[in-house]
Amino acid sequence: AQTVTQSQPEMSVQEAETVTLSCTYDTSESDYYLFWYKQPPSRQMILVIRQEAYKQQNATENRFSVNFQKAAKSFSLKISDSQLGDAAMYFCAYLSVPNSGYALNFGKGTSLLVTP
Amino acid sequence: DVKVTQSSRYLVKRTGEKVFLECVQDMDHENMFWYRQDPGLGLRLIYFSYDVKMKEKGDIPEGYSVSREKKERFSLILESASTNQTSMYLCASSVVGQPNTEAFFGQGTRLTVV
Repeated sequence: AQTVTQSQPEMSVQEAETVTLSCTYDTSESDYYLFWYKQPPSRQMILVIRQEAYKQQNATENRFSVNFQKAAKSFSLKISDSQLGDAAMYFCAYLSVPNSGYALNFGKGTSLLVTP
Repeated sequence: DVKVTQSSRYLVKRTGEKVFLECVQDMDHENMFWYRQDPGLGLRLIYFSYDVKMKEKGDIPEGYSVSREKKERFSLILESASTNQTSMYLCASSVVGQPNTEAFFGQGTRLTVV
């Protein structure tokens, strides 16, 4: 399985501030997909944002954006104007169809705490 | 709305019991997955399936088997439950042919083996 590394087990941010969660991955593939999923205390996994490796432009979804550095194999998530509802576990995930079909390969997760 | 439903949120079983975790999706997805989630280890793939009666081993299949008799249902079976199988189990589904599509997850089953 491809390795996905999230080096920050826990992060903390104040409400309205910006936080960046890091993710690196190891692959020899050129065509793959990257995702950030959020898991709040309800345990429901929710897709936050996705990035196709062939696209140079960084994906953005409202307050969430990524910094995708293909050569460095880095895929960080930036959350702007943090809200209390952003508190959750965040998982970075990788998918390469030739290697693993459609199965996502996840990192170990980063627990984000949002303080008032 | 896509729905992936896991039959139990919490389950307590005894060591040596045969345990069935059921997952049903209502969006006609071809792909279905079972993951195990443990603190500090993230989500690890146990088994997945592309189609009815088809299954592929994931990263940690030992001690588990699966069954997919109908497209909408994917069952995870613990043949003889052990305490080291105490964990959160997540089922997911997605569409074949669209790798950038999201995987939809159930709400998880927290299994305790005593």
